[in-house]
Parts: sequence; C-alpha cells; structure tokens
Amino acid sequence: NAGVMQNPRHLVRRRGQEARLRCSPMKGHSHVYWYRQLPEEGLKFMVYLQKENIIDESGMPKERFSAEFPKEGPSILRIQQVVRGDSAAYFCASSPRQGGNLLPQHFGDGTRLSIL
Amino acid sequence: KNEVEQSPQNLTAQEGEFITINCSYSVGISALHWLQQHPGGGIVSLFMLSSGKKKHGRLIATINIQEKHSSLHITASHPRDSAVYICAVGGNTDKLIFGTGTRLQVFP
Repeated sequence: NAGVMQNPRHLVRRRGQEARLRCSPMKGHSHVYWYRQLPEEGLKFMVYLQKENIIDESGMPKERFSAEFPKEGPSILRIQQVVRGDSAAYFCASSPRQGGNLLPQHFGDGTRLSIL
Repeated sequence: KNEVEQSPQNLTAQEGEFITINCSYSVGISALHWLQQHPGGGIVSLFMLSSGKKKHGRLIATINIQEKHSSLHITASHPRDSAVYICAVGGNTDKLIFGTGTRLQVFP
C-alpha cells in the first residue's frame, strides 16, 4: 500500500525558471491538498483539488502558481518564473472523499524547492 | 493574532518525562488534527478529534470545544518522540489551518 508519493524530493531552480512538483495520492483517494511551509513558518493551505476540478484555490498566489489534477496521472503544482521567495517545502496530502477537514489527511514527504 | 496558537514553541525533556503540548484556536471548527513532522521533514497524522479524548499507545489527545483548547500528551517520552508537533483545525471548508508547531527534543 503505497502512501502519498511526491517527487522530486529536492528541486533546485534558478530565478526565472519553472518548477513542477508532482503528487500521486494514496490508492483510492480522489482528493488532493497542497500546502506550503516557508522556512521557520507553519504550513499554509494553497489549493484543494478533486480529479479534473479545483475545489478551493484561495491559498494560491494570484500569479505564477497553478495546480491541476487530471483524470489520469499525478497532481501537478506548477510555479512559473520562480523567485527566491518561492523557496520552501511543498507538501501534498490526500483524502478519499470530500470533507478532508473531518478525515485524517495522508501526507507525502514533501518537495524541498530551492531557488538560486 | 494567529487563528491557531500552540505552546510552548520549544520543549526539551528527559527520557521518561510526561509531556504536554497545548493548542488554542479562535475559529469555529469541525475537527482538530494533531500531526507529527519528523526531523527528515515527513508529516504523519496522529489524531483527528472533534470531542473528548483519544489514545494511541503513549499518545493522548484531548479537546475542549467550549474552551477552544486541545492538548497532546506523551507519556514515558523517548528520544524517538523528538519531532515537531503541529495542531491544525478544520472548519466548514475542507482546508486546514495550522499552528506554527512545537519543537520537542527528548534527551536520553
């Protein structure tokens, strides 16, 4: 039983490049959450997706950030034209159905993004 | 003021000590989660509770909805319990609001 798989574990990009972070939820889970953890700060909600549908993106920066969860394949968090302030750990979590605040969320090990 | 406050921010203990970590929140919630973040960075869900008390091994979590307060207790602490413990609350939407975490170090 594979848990939530995130890749890559570490990603280094230069300012202005694009970063793509992938998340495969647990088997049978159709809901994915992305969170960001800035250095020395707590986790912050970014976006909540169901397959082929964004449910809540209220935590996403308005520019440069996008997320998708296609019918087939992993969820992707995409950051265009990265800046130093994007350096953070990005965590993905999944749940089997809607109501993730009332269900244990299963977390991946995160992707540590470093911007040079 | 953060919607979820944890105390203490840092905690050191000797092996075998009883440990308490506190979480207070200011929003209406449907459930409260306790998470553990290991030194390597991975996050594990420990408890999800909406009332009363839950126990799992040496870990106990309690919540008082009226006082908007929860506690996480660790009995007979061990160095492998060293981690960051994070409180998170879920309200009417599916997203969680997180505290900034309590960093626990247990020394042998």
